[in-house]
Amino acid sequence: DAKTTQPPSMDCAEGRAANLPCNHSTISGNEYVYWYRQIHSQGPQYIIHGLKNNETNEMASLIITEDRKSSTLILPHATLRDTAVYYCIVRVAGNTPLVFGKGTRLSVIA
Amino acid sequence: GAGVSQSPRYKVAKRGQDVALRCDPISGHVSLFWYQQALGQGPEFLTYFQNEAQLDKSGLPSDRFFAERPEGSVSTLKIQRTQQEDSAVYLCASSRLTRGLYNEQFFGPGTRLTVL
Repeated sequence: DAKTTQPPSMDCAEGRAANLPCNHSTISGNEYVYWYRQIHSQGPQYIIHGLKNNETNEMASLIITEDRKSSTLILPHATLRDTAVYYCIVRVAGNTPLVFGKGTRLSVIA
Repeated sequence: GAGVSQSPRYKVAKRGQDVALRCDPISGHVSLFWYQQALGQGPEFLTYFQNEAQLDKSGLPSDRFFAERPEGSVSTLKIQRTQQEDSAVYLCASSRLTRGLYNEQFFGPGTRLTVL
């Protein structure tokens, strides 16, 4: 699986959009970009995934650059409950283990 | 519906003791994963089951770690002769199986193991 690079931490004001970047310059053509988050004392939670098109669901939007070497997870209106560690994972489709890095610790501030 | 449950939520063991950690996956989920998460780190893969078959155990750190899923539902992760370096949160995840497609992994809350 391709390696990802994320900033270790970010702050965001409550109610504003949180934009979390991820670099994956060695991504292969058949690898997807997945995002999970882990709220304190809980297990990771799936957020969204995509291949090359931008994706949106009820939780977030995923913007993938045209060359697929980087992506951004957008939480449109961050709340205090969005404070968590966010993991960007690149892997092929299928039922295989997830490879987590250290992620980005997002702190949403009132 | 019910999510993935794990028990106990917290376990304190003396060095050298054996421990058993239980995972109840979501009903009907074929795939089951175990991960280990050290403090301040992301989860790391330990082992993977598809029904009762253990298809991948490449992440188990030593032969003191053993996992089973005898009836293809509940799984148990056993650690023999625990060491201080085994202190971590042990996470279980389950998912459906659709060949060639990604299936979201649903995680339990984890078991926090502390070895004294």
